[in-house]
Amino acid sequence: DVKVTQSSRYLVKRTGEKVFLECVQDMDHENMFWYRQDPGLGLRLIYFSYDVKMKEKGDIPEGYSVSREKKERFSLILESASTNQTSMYLCASSFSVGDRSYEQYFGPGTRLTVT
Amino acid sequence: KQEVTQIPAALSVPEGENLVLNCSFTDSAIYNLQWFRQDPGKGLTSLLLIQSSQREQTSGRLNASLDKSSGRSTLYIAASQPGDSATYLCAVKIGQAGTALIFGKGTTLSVSS
Repeated sequence: DVKVTQSSRYLVKRTGEKVFLECVQDMDHENMFWYRQDPGLGLRLIYFSYDVKMKEKGDIPEGYSVSREKKERFSLILESASTNQTSMYLCASSFSVGDRSYEQYFGPGTRLTVT
Repeated sequence: KQEVTQIPAALSVPEGENLVLNCSFTDSAIYNLQWFRQDPGKGLTSLLLIQSSQREQTSGRLNASLDKSSGRSTLYIAASQPGDSATYLCAVKIGQAGTALIFGKGTTLSVSS
């Protein structure tokens, strides 16, 4: 079974703190994604990566950065946390061959509260 | 811009009923469509993936269909059970390889015993 793990299930941080969210997958997937999920807005893509050290902005990258130094690990960084970044953060990974993509597998999520 | 819509937003049914969840998308140029289940406060569990060249996929009591030309997918759940209560999300992939999914906002299903 594919396993995607996230470093924390719940996190409480103060405004202005630098926050690191870690995601690890164990299936050698090339593609990794960070989404946030908010009531009424659904899931929105923050960043994705299709290879080590490669990254692409999603729909809402402002206030976030990412790092992918190893294939299995994709980190989301909140440079200076703000209250509007309080949300559920979901990491996902997937495998692709040529232009054919397969299922995205999601981690359990990190519920981040910024006070 | 691709938009994904799921109607209804919520659905309540008695146990044992067969039901259909609907998903529509505005641009038929998709690579695949995936159905997920999400329990409250949890991550997403993949249920079925339909590639753009396929018409349907089945897994146990679940059957998903895809009609690209009309921009529609349905998820059929047979003989519903209280354990099926969850939010069901559909998502479409509009680009190759590493591109992300575009999600609908989900249908919250409640199955009463």
